[in-house]
Amino acid sequence: AQSVTQPDIHITVSEGASLELRCNYSYGATPYLFWYVQSPGQGLQLLLKYFSGDTLVQGIKGFEAEFKRSQSSFNLRKPSVHWSDAAEYFCAVGAQNYGQNFVFGPGTRLSVLP
Amino acid sequence: GAVVSQHPSRVICKSGTSVKIECRSLDFQATTMFWYRQFPKQSLMLMATSNEGSKATYEQGVEKDKFLINHASLTLSTLTVTSAHPEDSSFYICSAGKERGDTEAFFGQGTRLTVV
Repeated sequence: AQSVTQPDIHITVSEGASLELRCNYSYGATPYLFWYVQSPGQGLQLLLKYFSGDTLVQGIKGFEAEFKRSQSSFNLRKPSVHWSDAAEYFCAVGAQNYGQNFVFGPGTRLSVLP
Repeated sequence: GAVVSQHPSRVICKSGTSVKIECRSLDFQATTMFWYRQFPKQSLMLMATSNEGSKATYEQGVEKDKFLINHASLTLSTLTVTSAHPEDSSFYICSAGKERGDTEAFFGQGTRLTVV
């Protein structure tokens, strides 16, 4: 069965600092990997996704993520955080045969200090 | 683009009553939609898969008689929480994909249900 872990429940960074959110997955084959962001009381917005090919994926809002098969990881990064990036971030894995059915990680809450 | 709309965004109901949540794909047809539930400060948990024209598939532990799902058309799925209790209070989110086998899903904005 698929599973996703996000080791950090809550991260606080200063505005302008770099950011890395960790995500590890467990899946028998090559997974489809996603990062979503959720602002308070809102739905989910897709930041980026990995299906195949280049393991470094660029997303919206200046985010990128790198798929590392050897480490079963798909960490999200941003070189310079903005105050508007404060939100909840979810890593998700989709099944290869029918990827719309996701398993989500527990989420990492990002706080940004001015 | 692909837009999924949920209605209502917030609802408060009394214990024992039923409440219906709608999920619509506005600019595409969705043969399958998914319903998730999110408890405060927790992740999203898949409740059920809604299939157009057939019965929904529920995840283990989800009461199908309590959470009624109807996918009557290619653009609308509804989740009805029957005989609601305070423990049903939660954030419910739906998602839909454009095509069967498509790996990307588009999420609604969610519905905050509070049962008093």
